[in-house]
Amino acid sequence: DAKTTQPPSMDCAEGRAANLPCNHSTISGNEYVYWYRQIHSQGPQYIIHGLKNNETNEMASLIITEDRKSSTLILPHATLRDTAVYYCIVITAGGTSYGKLTFGQGTILTVHP
Amino acid sequence: DTAVSQTPKYLVTQMGNDKSIKCEQNLGHDTMYWYKQDSKKFLKIMFSYNNKELIINETVPNRFSPKSPDKAHLNLHINSLELGDSAVYFCASSYGQPLAKNIQYFGAGTRLSVL
Repeated sequence: DAKTTQPPSMDCAEGRAANLPCNHSTISGNEYVYWYRQIHSQGPQYIIHGLKNNETNEMASLIITEDRKSSTLILPHATLRDTAVYYCIVITAGGTSYGKLTFGQGTILTVHP
Repeated sequence: DTAVSQTPKYLVTQMGNDKSIKCEQNLGHDTMYWYKQDSKKFLKIMFSYNNKELIINETVPNRFSPKSPDKAHLNLHINSLELGDSAVYFCASSYGQPLAKNIQYFGAGTRLSVL
């Protein structure tokens, strides 16, 4: 699986957009970028995923660069409840690692009033 | 209805005991997983089953034995518990394929404390 690099922590003011970057420079053509988050004491929660096109859902937007070596998760209007650890994960489409989520250290996002 | 449910939520036991954690999903998924989150908050996959068949088996002591009686259930049995087994164990489920639909839904976790 491709390794990802995320900043260890970020702050965001409530109501503002939170932009969480992720580098995955060794990503290969059949690997997807998935974002999950873990709110304190809860199980991880899926946010969004993409292959090469930008994606948007009710929770967030995912911007993937044209060369696919990096991506940005955007929470358009962050709330206090968005305070969590955000994980950027690249997973492969084949082999014995199929579907395996390899969680790194993630980015601790703190949304403050 | 809870999509992925784990029982028990808390488990406190003595070293050397044998314990089981149960997981059930009502999402119709064909793939289930067990993850371990240690005290440093690192989350690591342990096992994955697809249609009751073991497909991912990370380097886990053989004291840990997963069992999948059907697609909706994946239980984790742990023999001879050790202090280092203390952690939060998460169950998850998803569709195995295609990868574009491999969205994993996690349970609330089982907090295991070995004394």
